[in-house]
Formats: sequence, C-alpha cells, structure tokens
Amino acid sequence: RKEVEQDPGPFNVPEGATVAFNCTYSNSASQSFFWYRQDCRKEPKLLMSVYSSGNEDGRFTAQLNRASQYISLLIRDSKLSDSATYLCVVGYSSASKIIFGSGTRLSIRP
Amino acid sequence: DAGVIQSPRHEVTEMGQEVTLRCKPISGHDYLFWYRQTMMRGLELLIYFNNNVPIDDSGMPEDRFSAKMPNASFSTLKIQPSEPRDSAVYFCASSLSHGTGQETQYFGPGTRLLVL
Repeated sequence: RKEVEQDPGPFNVPEGATVAFNCTYSNSASQSFFWYRQDCRKEPKLLMSVYSSGNEDGRFTAQLNRASQYISLLIRDSKLSDSATYLCVVGYSSASKIIFGSGTRLSIRP
Repeated sequence: DAGVIQSPRHEVTEMGQEVTLRCKPISGHDYLFWYRQTMMRGLELLIYFNNNVPIDDSGMPEDRFSAKMPNASFSTLKIQPSEPRDSAVYFCASSLSHGTGQETQYFGPGTRLLVL
C-alpha cells in the first residue's frame, strides 16, 4: 500500500461546479499536510497548507481528518483555470520526510 | 529572486551516455531536493541535501545515479551510463526548512530527459 494515495481521476466537471477530492495517508505519525498544484508540463507549486482546524483560501477549502487519516480539497465555483493535477503531500517531521501523492487530475469544461 | 534554476531544460541522449543535470536553488534555502517524475510512478524523491550535505539518498535508483552539492548555490545529478528507462522529468526543489511543518518546497521548471 502506498503511504499517500489519491484517486488519479480524471475528474471532469462543468465550470461553476463544486468538486472535492480526498487523499489518504497510512502513517499516523504524519504531522504536516499540503496541497500542491501542477499544471500540464509545469512544475508543482504550493496551493495551500492544511491545518488541523481546516482552512480556506478563496474558493479553496482544505480539511484534515486525523481519525480517518485523510485530507480533502474542495473547490467551489470552479473555473477553467482550475484544470490541473492536484498533489497531496504529507510530511513526517520525526523522519524529516515528505511524500507526494501521485496526484488527481481535474479538468473543468466550459 | 529568480526562483530555482535548472539546466538544461531538455536533454536527448543515447543509451550509454553520461547525463548531467544542474540546479541552482533559491538563495538562502538550506534544503535541496532532486525528484524524478514519470506517468507510471509519479513524483519520486531521489535525494535531498541539507547545508550541502546529502541526508537521504534512499530514493536513488542505483549506482548509475549520483548527486553532489559542492556549494550552497549549485547541485548536480549525474546518470552514467544512461538507459532508456531513465527517461523522465527531473525536478530540483529547495526549501528554507524541512520536516517542521513550514517546509514549502519551491520547484524548478524541470529537465525533460529522453534517453534513446
């Protein structure tokens, strides 16, 4: 089993829709969580950190569920420009280790 | 700041040749990471350095791969001899810290390597 697992998608949704995807992690010692975004043929870039209390940045909301060991990303009022691959990232400070998920592809159609 | 700089951006070589990828991290960042990305395996961490010292090279596939960081502003990843299965996008990333919860990694544009 992979340490960080994501549904690869693709998620194909109409513009304006709300879309959500999850990421599960296997190690309960995980301590830091992030969502990165990667556009086609580009490098990954930090989208947002995920805090225990959940956090929001405009149309994006990230949640952490430690009991079930998953994090989620919700995108409201999706735009064409949201089309990208979203990478879930989990860090373990005790091991100075950070692991990227394989990513979830999102495609927004007009 | 110019961000993380990688060169070359594209490399096409023949099997058996030596390949050297270069990276300049963001000034002041103490951590430097080398990743490989393929469709099949996603983004894999190969090795990372802290203050120019290799900390974890457990992701380096085999002895054909080597990485160095002679100073704070330069690192190389070398493949010798290269094989077709090494074809991938190689990213370099840097961060201020690592494993602290504040470790945003900044990626370079990547080097697209094709080994024929």
